[in-house]
Amino acid sequence: EAGVAQSPRYKIIEKRQSVAFWCNPISGHATLYWYQQILGQGPKLLIQFQNNGVVDDSQLPKDRFSAERLKGVDSTLKIQPAKLEDSAVYLCASSPQDRGGTGELFFGEGSRLTVL
Amino acid sequence: AQKITQTQPGMFVQEKEAVTLDCTYDTSDPSYGLFWYKQPSSGEMIFLIYQGSYDQQNATEGRYSLNFQKARKSANLVISASQLGDSAMYFCAMRERTQGGSEKLVFGKGTKLTVNP
Repeated sequence: EAGVAQSPRYKIIEKRQSVAFWCNPISGHATLYWYQQILGQGPKLLIQFQNNGVVDDSQLPKDRFSAERLKGVDSTLKIQPAKLEDSAVYLCASSPQDRGGTGELFFGEGSRLTVL
Repeated sequence: AQKITQTQPGMFVQEKEAVTLDCTYDTSDPSYGLFWYKQPSSGEMIFLIYQGSYDQQNATEGRYSLNFQKARKSANLVISASQLGDSAMYFCAMRERTQGGSEKLVFGKGTKLTVNP
């Protein structure tokens, strides 16, 4: 079974530029998450999708961040314009819609963003 | 208020010895789940072990065990017979219910474990 795919793995941009990250979750997983992990900290949830609907985006800086999950499969996270403090690893995760399960998240390898 | 607290920024252990990584949590929900993830320097998050709030016994997975003390709201990870490959960041996380009825994982700040030969 293929895992969560993310691209690009690394991206370097200058402040005020824009960037987009792509995520393809595990096949059949209804829930998709984008987490931001700043160096030395734990992951922080930015946005959570259930199929193609947003269920939690309370910590997404909506003035500069946007995300979509068209057709309820893959997702794109965009930052425009980027700030220095957006330098982080952006982790995509997915989980099956299984109320009887543990709620374990399956993570991709992450996209490391450096803003200069 | 922080919901997951990991008080040890860094821990050192000798190869083949056991080590305990601390985690305390805060929730008023009677139904919750606790997870430990390992993050090597390569960056991927690897699931290690899970403990449900209603589970009567402490969870075990190979060399990993979870010392679950519900009254104290602690869920410490015990790694037995440490190996050099265990050197990594370790994150404790709690599954919590959102206002919208969905569930998400909230992570602690992590503990960096270094295994010395």
